[in-house]
Amino acid sequence: NAGVTQTPKFRILKIGQSMTLQCTQDMNHNYMYWYRQDPGMGLKLIYYSVGAGITDKGEVPNGYNVSRSTTEDFPLRLELAAPSQTSVYFCASSYFVTDTQYFGPGTRLTVL
Amino acid sequence: AQKVTQAQTEISVVEKEDVTLDCVYETRDTTYYLFWYKQPPSGELVFLIRRNSFDEQNEISGRYSWNFQKSTSSFNFTITASQVVDSAVYFCALSEATDSWGKLQFGAGTQVVVTP
Repeated sequence: NAGVTQTPKFRILKIGQSMTLQCTQDMNHNYMYWYRQDPGMGLKLIYYSVGAGITDKGEVPNGYNVSRSTTEDFPLRLELAAPSQTSVYFCASSYFVTDTQYFGPGTRLTVL
Repeated sequence: AQKVTQAQTEISVVEKEDVTLDCVYETRDTTYYLFWYKQPPSGELVFLIRRNSFDEQNEISGRYSWNFQKSTSSFNFTITASQVVDSAVYFCALSEATDSWGKLQFGAGTQVVVTP
C-alpha cells in the first residue's frame, strides 16, 4: 500500500511551457485534492474531486486544469507556466468528505 | 478572511524543553474538524491528529498532547520534552461540515527549531 504518490519530485520549467503533475492513490479514496504551498505559507486549495468525472475549483484555480477519469488518478495540468506558479504542489486524498486527508510527498516546481 | 490563525511564526527551544503551539480558528459551523500536520525538513506532510467539534476530550499520545477549547476557539498542541527530530513546521487546519467538498483551510504554520 503506497498511499498517495506524486511524480515528478522536482521540475524546472521555462515561462510558457506546459506540464502535467501526476497523482495516484491506491487507497480507493473518493475525494482527491490539489494544494499549493508557497514559501513560508500554508497550503491553498487549487482543485478537488469527489470521484471519477467530477471536479471543481478551489481557491486558486487560475492557470491550472484537472481531470479525473479513474478513482486512482488525479493529474494537474499547468498551461503556459508563469513564475507565479513556482511552488510546492501537494496532492491529497480521503475516503469520505469528513475523513482525514493523506498527502503525497509533493512536487517542487520552479518556473524561470 | 483567515479562518485559522497560528500567531507564532517560529519557536526555538533547547532539547527537553516543552513547546506549545497555538491555533485559533474561526467558523460559524456547529460541526467542524480540526487537524494538526507536521512538515519536517524533508517536506512531506504528516498527519498527527484530528478532532471533531463535538469531542472536546483532550488527548495525550506519547510526548504529544492537544488542548481543544471550543469556548475560546483554540486547538493548541504541546510537545513535551522536545527532541531534535521534532524540528519541523507544524500546521493547524480546519474543515467545515457545510463545505461539501471537505477542503482543508490551513494556518500559516509554526516553525519549531529544537537545538541540542
